[in-house]
Amino acid sequence: EAGVAQSPRYKIIEKRQSVAFWCNPISGHATLYWYQQILGQGPKLLIQFQNNGVVDDSQLPKDRFSAERLKGVDSTLKIQPAKLEDSAVYLCASSLVVGEGDEQFFGPGTRLTVL
Amino acid sequence: KNEVEQSPQNLTAQEGEFITINCSYSVGISALHWLQQHPGGGIVSLFMLSSGKKKHGRLIATINIQEKHSSLHITASHPRDSAVYICAVNGAGSYQLTFGKGTKLSVIP
Repeated sequence: EAGVAQSPRYKIIEKRQSVAFWCNPISGHATLYWYQQILGQGPKLLIQFQNNGVVDDSQLPKDRFSAERLKGVDSTLKIQPAKLEDSAVYLCASSLVVGEGDEQFFGPGTRLTVL
Repeated sequence: KNEVEQSPQNLTAQEGEFITINCSYSVGISALHWLQQHPGGGIVSLFMLSSGKKKHGRLIATINIQEKHSSLHITASHPRDSAVYICAVNGAGSYQLTFGKGTKLSVIP
């Protein structure tokens, strides 16, 4: 079974530029998560999708971050414009259904450096 | 809101040593996860447990619900075990994960 795919793996941009990340979850997984992991910290949930609907985006900085999951499969996360403090690893995860204790499967992450 | 604390933050061990990483949380949970993160960022799920003990190869995870505490043990540690180990919990009735900051393990040959 193929895992969660993410691209690119690494991205370096200058502040005020825009960047987009792509995630392809495990086939059949209804729930998709985007996390931000700053160096030395645990991941922080940015947004959660159930199929193509948003379940929780309470911690998404909506003035600069946006995400979509068209057709309930692939998802993109965009930052526009980027700030220095956005430097982090962006992790995508998926799970079969949403529920207590559902196992989440993580992708390899995209490491973003903002200069 | 659940607070998840891990100890130690950093751990260096000689190859072959028995290793213990601890996790404590502040409020009731429905499940606890142990995750492994290698340099480069990708995360692998090691265990998901809500009671008792689970074993997979050289890895053992235990949880004490009354004491709100879990431990991850690695027997006969090996340099390839070097990684960051993260504890995460689902709050009771919640699908969201709350993550600890991780424990960085380095196993020296």
